[in-house]
Amino acid sequence: DAGITQSPRHKVTETGTPVTLRCHQTENHRYMYWYRQDPGHGLRLIHYSYGVKDTDKGEVSDGYSVSRSKTEDFLLTLESATSSQTSVYFCAIGQGEAFFGQGTRLTVV
Amino acid sequence: KNQVEQSPQSLIILEGKNCTLQCNYTVSPFSNLRWYKQDTGRGPVSLTIMTFSENTKSNGRYTATLDADTKQSSLHITASQLSDSASYICVVSIFDSWGKFQFGAGTQVVVTP
Repeated sequence: DAGITQSPRHKVTETGTPVTLRCHQTENHRYMYWYRQDPGHGLRLIHYSYGVKDTDKGEVSDGYSVSRSKTEDFLLTLESATSSQTSVYFCAIGQGEAFFGQGTRLTVV
Repeated sequence: KNQVEQSPQSLIILEGKNCTLQCNYTVSPFSNLRWYKQDTGRGPVSLTIMTFSENTKSNGRYTATLDADTKQSSLHITASQLSDSASYICVVSIFDSWGKFQFGAGTQVVVTP
């Protein structure tokens, strides 16, 4: 998995609560991404980062924020979780090719 | 609108048989096309990468083809094995736009004994 660790791997949370997912890489790669994967959809980009403190929005960024204070860590925060954010979340690194983490299954009840 | 369309959505094949998955894309300008394999509960892993000038590329029993003129790609699995059961995702990269990957929804392949 190209030195990418996501935590937690599974989480159940209640609607309205904040949730933070963590992605940690050991590859010292500049580019990092957060995707969500839902049945019937391809992986969809939430946010991405091109360096420490440099982030930008993807196609499905509403309701999500990110932070990158160190090269190796990219955090995804759901400020107030909703049921529509139930999904599997993947972190990836890379530029010409994306290398993916194992995913985090998030359920919002 | 999804710019990468895959077919079929799913298929079941007998162990030892061959199968072909299709990917049509409208992404432009094109940089490269990758096929990923995603096992259940895991992240996608790259199988092959093809650039504009490449027509065929193999990785063991997996052979990918690309027709950049018609914007079509296929992934052929030869002599399928139970371990080939997975989702296969076609991913197209946009030229000169790092990180701009367009993902297909995937084809779910089930290999039965």
